[in-house]
Formats: sequence, structure tokens, C-alpha cells
Amino acid sequence: EPEVTQTPSHQVTQMGQEVILRCVPISNHLYFYWYRQILGQKVEFLVSFYNNEISEKSEIFDDQFSVERPDGSNFTLKIRSTKLEDSAMYFCASGADRDYGYTFGSGTRLTVV
Amino acid sequence: GESVGLHLPTLSVQEGDNSIINCAYSNSASDYFIWYKQESGKGPQFIIDIRSNMDKRQGQRVTVLLNKTVKHLSLQIAATQPGDSAVYFCAENPGNQFYFGTGTSLTVIP
Repeated sequence: EPEVTQTPSHQVTQMGQEVILRCVPISNHLYFYWYRQILGQKVEFLVSFYNNEISEKSEIFDDQFSVERPDGSNFTLKIRSTKLEDSAMYFCASGADRDYGYTFGSGTRLTVV
Repeated sequence: GESVGLHLPTLSVQEGDNSIINCAYSNSASDYFIWYKQESGKGPQFIIDIRSNMDKRQGQRVTVLLNKTVKHLSLQIAATQPGDSAVYFCAENPGNQFYFGTGTSLTVIP
């Protein structure tokens, strides 16, 4: 069964450093998403991406965040200057259709120290 | 933001019993709903979905019920198995993105 692959599975970074979280969506999917989940809290929407541009973003997705699809297979989330409160699980998801359920990756656990 | 809440944060059931997990949503414009299962250390996994033009949908051992009048969604798991132990989220989509609930932790007692 097709999977969404995320790397690394765990990243530890110092506050103020830049991190890039990587995702390989399912190959025939057109819609891409990043969500995050702070420990013990609900999954929160960050951004959706379609046709090589951001289609929607939440209040969490401020100027410190950016997304990119540098080639035909990768989808990345960059945090320019990490803060302690950025510590969370970050999930990438992709979907063939905007209005149907997505497939999620297993997540990257980001720990900012 | 949207409010998708769950009535019970934890649920324990005996193996073989049926489980019912409930969810309240707030946006009457939501027309698509999904139940996700999240096992420890993994991403949310799609279980079953339902559109607002239906009030019931069945899958393998799972049934989702939608009551639009009271904005309530439930997930029924038949003959619950140890492998069903996980956190279950409902998510609603009013047309632009999915809003997730906090989750209910289901523990199956062997």
C-alpha cells in the first residue's frame, strides 16, 4: 500500500536554528499538507499546498515557516528560527482529492532545546 | 477556530465487546467527516469517512453514525480487539481544511 514517508523520524535542534522536515508524498497525489501535534494535544493544521503554491495556511504558519516542493517527489517544511514551543510531532499528509481523506506519514518528532 | 470535541478522553473495554466513541462538532457547514486512529509513535490512520448526506456508514467492524441535528458523530467498533487500542480522532471538514478533535484513548483489556 502506498505510504507517505517522512524523514527524519526524530530531530533535536537548538533554539534559533533552522530545521527542514522532509516528506515524500504518495506519487499520484496532488494535495499536500503539514499538520503538527504538540504532545497530548490535538492535531493542528499548518498549511495546504496545491499546484506549487500554498492554498491555505493557519495562524500557526507564520513568517518563520515555509514549504517547498523542490522536485517532483519531495515536500519540505522549513522553520527558520526554531522556538521552544515549536517542539511537536509534525505530520505530512497527501491526498488525491481535496475533499477526501488524506494519507498521513508517521511524523517527525521535533525537539527544540 | 473550529471546535471539534470528544465527550470522553479515555475508554476501556473488554476484548470482544463493542466500543462506542463519540464526537461533537461545532460547524453546521461541515459536510465531510473522518475518523482517524493513531497508534503510539505513528501518524493518524484513516478508518472511515461519512458525508453529510448520509447518517450511517459501515466498514469492516466499524460503523460511523452522523446526527446532523445535534452535530454528533460516533464510531462503533464491533468485537474490539487488542489491536484496536489507540487514540481515535474525529475530524470535520467544512470545505477548506480538516479540524481535528482532541482524541479519545481506547484501551482494550484482554
